[in-house]
Amino acid sequence: KQEVTQIPAALSVPEGENLVLNCSFTDSAIYNLQWFRQDPGKGLTSLLLIQSSQREQTSGRLNASLDKSSGRSTLYIAASQPGDSATYLCATMEYGNKLVFGAGTILRVKS
Amino acid sequence: KAGVTQTPRYLIKTRGQQVTLSCSPISGHRSVSWYQQTPGQGLQFLFEYFSETQRNKGNFPGRFSGRQFSNSRSEMNVSTLELGDSALYLCASTQRGGDRVIHEQFFGPGTRLTVL
Repeated sequence: KQEVTQIPAALSVPEGENLVLNCSFTDSAIYNLQWFRQDPGKGLTSLLLIQSSQREQTSGRLNASLDKSSGRSTLYIAASQPGDSATYLCATMEYGNKLVFGAGTILRVKS
Repeated sequence: KAGVTQTPRYLIKTRGQQVTLSCSPISGHRSVSWYQQTPGQGLQFLFEYFSETQRNKGNFPGRFSGRQFSNSRSEMNVSTLELGDSALYLCASTQRGGDRVIHEQFFGPGTRLTVL
């Protein structure tokens, strides 16, 4: 059974700082890994999708890497802004479009 | 292109009642998945439908059921509601899922269910 762990559980940083969020998973037989953002009381917004054959994906100030062999992914956020404050979730995908989520990292960027 | 829509956005029910939630996927998307989000358990997979067939099911009791229509819209039903069913219910749609190419999942805003 896949287990996804996210570290740290919470993070508070000053505006402008570069930061790294970590995600680990126990079963490397994944189809892909997806990073999401969730604002309080809202749905999930997809940030980046990394296919199992890929090593990284980039979108603007975001960069996500995937190392299947070690069961790890990182989300790098450059030059953080207060608007980046949210909960960040990583999820691995199994057969049948089933996503297995981590508990999330709550990010607060202080102005 | 319109995103995933869910109705209603908020629901208040009492124990023992049943509830039906609706999800309309992005146009052209044929796969719909449902998730339950609670503070204690986080996000958990309920089930997934593709071409009107349930392909995958999570570890939830039989009180939780769903279906998908020919236009890909999906409904989820919870019977005999319990206090622990209070949660944010999210649905997600994906462009395909019948082949080995896996596409990005897009989530709706969710339905907040409160059971009193």
